[in-house]
Amino acid sequence: AQTVTQSQPEMSVQEAETVTLSCTYDTSESDYYLFWYKQPPSRQMILVIRQEAYKQQNATENRFSVNFQKAAKSFSLKISDSQLGDAAMYFCAYRRDSNYQLIWGAGTKLIIKP
Amino acid sequence: DTGVSQDPRHKITKRGQNVTFRCDPISEHNRLYWYRQTLGQGPEFLTYFQNEAQLEKSRLLSDRFSAERPKGSFSTLEIQRTEQGDSAMYLCASSFGNSPLHFGNGTRLTVT
Repeated sequence: AQTVTQSQPEMSVQEAETVTLSCTYDTSESDYYLFWYKQPPSRQMILVIRQEAYKQQNATENRFSVNFQKAAKSFSLKISDSQLGDAAMYFCAYRRDSNYQLIWGAGTKLIIKP
Repeated sequence: DTGVSQDPRHKITKRGQNVTFRCDPISEHNRLYWYRQTLGQGPEFLTYFQNEAQLEKSRLLSDRFSAERPKGSFSTLEIQRTEQGDSAMYLCASSFGNSPLHFGNGTRLTVT
């Protein structure tokens, strides 16, 4: 069965600095998708970035980028120039190519220090 | 794109009562999902619709839970004879095909 592990329950970073959130997953599939979602306090879950496993190039969305290491089954999220609005729970999620279900990590709480 | 809408935002009920939540997905999305999330955890899959057909229901769900999507548009999730363990955030999400999920704000249920 597929599993997703986020080993950092909480991370903190100084505003304007860079932080990396870790995610590892376990699967025997070769085609799948990986996602990072952000959930601010009392607000909705928002997609931050997605990565297709067949793509070697790491996905990037403005200040957010991933380091996708397929062989190591690692999918970390880097946030550059951290802003106060980045404070939230960050969830890593996995989905098989032919399936609809998302498998979620337990989340990492990101604190931004002004 | 008005986003996924959920109603109500909060619901407080006494143990043993029935509750019903509503989700209005993004209009062109054919897939609709219900998740449950407890504090400090990632979402837990409950059930999934493609158009009006309920294609899967989690084995974790008891028979007290039922969901419908009668015309392939909005969906309802009903919990009968609520228990304190049902207290959680209930999230609805929608997508078109294999596109990423778009989530609503959730309904927070408190069972006293």
